[in-house]
Amino acid sequence: DIQMTQSPSTLSASVGDRVTITCRASQSINTWLAWYQQKSGKAPNLLMYKASTLESGVPSRFSGIASGTEFTLTISSLQPEDFATYYCQQYHTYPWTFGQGTKVEI
Amino acid sequence: EVQLVESGGGLVQPGGSLRLTCAASGFTFSNYAMNWVRLAPGKGLEWVSSIGGSAGNTYYAGAVKGRFTISRDSSRNTLYLQMNSLRVEDTAIYYCAKVKSSGIFDFWGQGTLVTVSS
Repeated sequence: DIQMTQSPSTLSASVGDRVTITCRASQSINTWLAWYQQKSGKAPNLLMYKASTLESGVPSRFSGIASGTEFTLTISSLQPEDFATYYCQQYHTYPWTFGQGTKVEI
Repeated sequence: EVQLVESGGGLVQPGGSLRLTCAASGFTFSNYAMNWVRLAPGKGLEWVSSIGGSAGNTYYAGAVKGRFTISRDSSRNTLYLQMNSLRVEDTAIYYCAKVKSSGIFDFWGQGTLVTVSS
């Protein structure tokens, strides 16, 4: 199985901060990577796919970059509604696998 | 508007069975692959199973293969997950998720809680 390793596990930040979350794949997945946001008690929400393509309706402060097997999600200016847990997910090969999550907290 | 509504969760003893249901609306159900994804307490998201739009191909995570069966009824716009030989470690919120295209989950239900405990 392809292992997805996210860092950090927890991130403390303030409104207005630039935030970066990293996800590393254990083998090449090209750019078959998605990012999801999950708020407490809610279903996950698709933010981005193909590493850097923003889902419709997602604010432009979210962006993604791929470099080999390392992927980065950046929030350019953290807003109050962005405090949540973020997951990366590879869809290159079954079984599809998620990172362990990064909790962004105040 | 796409809607996915799960039901069928509950408390079950180890070794028991449950069948989860996901009622879909707002899109042409038969055109899209569907999935089950779970979130265990204190853990991250885990993909469980996938079924093709025409119900031809099914895929399972290793942890559930041989115990869980995914199926769909396009005449009822409904997705199912039959879970047998349940274990304590299967305790989780189970979400059904629609696929935008291969492996990208663009719509999710609100989830149904499965608790496996004696």
